[in-house]
Amino acid sequence: EAQLVESGGGLAQPGGSLRLSCAASGFTFSSDWMFWVRQAPGKGLVWVSRINGDGSRTTYADSVKGRFTISRDNAKSTLYLQMNSLRAEDTAVYYCTHTVTDHYYFDYWGQGTLVTVSS
Amino acid sequence: QSALTQPRSVSGSPGQSVTISCTGTSSDVGKYNYVSWYQQHPGKAPKLMIYDVSERPSGVPARFSGSKSGNTASLTISGLQAEDEADYHCCSYAGSYPWVFGGGTKLTVL
Repeated sequence: EAQLVESGGGLAQPGGSLRLSCAASGFTFSSDWMFWVRQAPGKGLVWVSRINGDGSRTTYADSVKGRFTISRDNAKSTLYLQMNSLRAEDTAVYYCTHTVTDHYYFDYWGQGTLVTVSS
Repeated sequence: QSALTQPRSVSGSPGQSVTISCTGTSSDVGKYNYVSWYQQHPGKAPKLMIYDVSERPSGVPARFSGSKSGNTASLTISGLQAEDEADYHCCSYAGSYPWVFGGGTKLTVL
């Protein structure tokens, strides 16, 4: 059974940094696209970033471009999100999620990790 | 890229049917047959309920169905049950801005 487990969330000051991790198991991690999706308190889901199987292709939402970096370590079956220059509006639960190449939906989701940006 | 438009809330009694709409544009919902729906109970992760407009993953009850007409997709839940009470989010592939979600709809089972 596929499993995604996020970690690394917490409290950060405006302008600060955090690094999220997502440990994957139960599927062939290196073959598939991985994503970060976030949800601000009481709000809807928002796509943040994606990375392909070998890490050579990445895409970002305009709201995080230039501040966030997605990466992966296929040897460790782990996805990362380096978040710099954090803003109050980045406060959200961050989910890592997955799709099979050439599919267009998110089938596996982690439990989420809360990031709070506040002074 | 603007979020897809969903009603803030819908409600129904046990056994009834409810439909949740999801309105996008000709650049997302209207252009691609890649609409998906996710169920989210409070404090939990989203769960895939419908993909590619009307396909159900293994394990999702047949009471859940999806459709699309023009720029609007719909999720219908028939034979409402208490455990269906949750938030429902639609999502569409959008090409150059890969994915766009709706704001979410809170379903209340009366």
